[in-house]
Parts: sequence; C-alpha cells; structure tokens
Amino acid sequence: AQSVTQLGSHVSVSEGALVLLRCNYSSSVPPYLFWYVQYPNQGLQLLLKYTSAATLVKGINGFEAEFKKSETSFHLTKPSAHMSDAAEYFCAVSEAAGRRALTFGSGTRLQVQP
Amino acid sequence: NAGVTQTPKFRVLKTGQSMTLLCAQDMNHEYMYWYRQDPGMGLRLIHYSVGEGTTAKGEVPDGYNVSRLKKQNFLLGLESAAPSQTSVYFCASSYGGSLTGYTFGSGTRLTVV
Repeated sequence: AQSVTQLGSHVSVSEGALVLLRCNYSSSVPPYLFWYVQYPNQGLQLLLKYTSAATLVKGINGFEAEFKKSETSFHLTKPSAHMSDAAEYFCAVSEAAGRRALTFGSGTRLQVQP
Repeated sequence: NAGVTQTPKFRVLKTGQSMTLLCAQDMNHEYMYWYRQDPGMGLRLIHYSVGEGTTAKGEVPDGYNVSRLKKQNFLLGLESAAPSQTSVYFCASSYGGSLTGYTFGSGTRLTVV
C-alpha cells in the first residue's frame, strides 16, 4: 500500500522568505511522486513530478523538490515566497510498477505574510 | 478551452435524494477519476476508469456508483444521499495514468441536509 504524510497542515512565511513544505511517503515499490497546488475555489494543478529520473525536480513558479530515498521524503521548496504562492499544496504518490491512481496527502495550507 | 468540465458546480440535496454528477473531458484521455475532498483529509479516490466501458473502485466507493459509457464522460451517482457525503467532488482525467499527471475539473460542492 502507498501513502503520503504531510507534516504541518498550515505553514506561514513572510514574503521573500524560504518556503519549505514537507512530504514523506510510504511505498512498497519505487514511487512516482507529485506536488499539486490548489488555489481557492479551483481544482488542483500539477507543480512538479518525480518519475525516477533526476532526484532534484524543478517545477513551475520557481518551486523545486528533492527525492531522498534514504529519508523517504519529497519536500517542496522555493527560495523566496511571493504573495501569489498562498494556496493549499498536496503531495501525492503512485506506485511506479503500474499505472495506478494517485494517493494524496492531507494538504498544507501556505500563508504568505506581507 | 480544452479541459475537464464538471456540472453542476453547487448542489444541495435532502437526505435520501439521488443525483448524478457529470464530468466531461475533451482531451481524448483514457483515464478518468472521481475524488472527494474533505477538510484535513486531502483527496480520497472514490472510483476510477482506465478506459471506455471500464470502472474500478477506489478508496471510498460505498454509496456511489459510476459509469463510463463514452470515453469523454464519467458520471458519478449517489443513489440515496447521506449527510456524510457532504463534500467537494473533483473529477480528473489523464492520458497515461498517474505518470502523465492529472487535469482536474473545478469541483462540485455538494451539501446533503
């Protein structure tokens, strides 16, 4: 069975500060890992994905994530937060062995203070 | 614009009533999914389809039924709505399953009273 745990349901940072959103996964086989973003009253949008190529993955809007197998982690970072980054972020996992559906974490709401 | 369209966007049902949520995609995607989103629980998979005429159960299928008679449409039915089904429902589609990422609809907010 696969699962993800997102530490911290709410994260608040100042504009210009580092953003770090944590995600740990559990999977019995090599995983595919994803970060999605949800803006208010909208569906989810794909930020970035890891599919067993480079362990450091760059996504849209300046976000990146690093796959660390030894730590079973896939944390999302951005060097400098912008007000427009305020949203809810979801980590998701899928088993690479098959084309199964994504399993999502519980989400982290990011607030950006001026 | 190409994408995933969900109808209706909002609905209030009385306990015991039935309804169908429609999801339509115009991207020729094979895979389609229904998730529900509840506060603090993220998105949970209800049912999914890997192609026209196929459906499969997800994590929380009880109380729901689905049909995929046409490739572009994926219907989610509630036969007898319960307050526990109050949620935001999202449909998503994908060309190649999870590997290629999902395109999400904008959601249906359902309240069962």
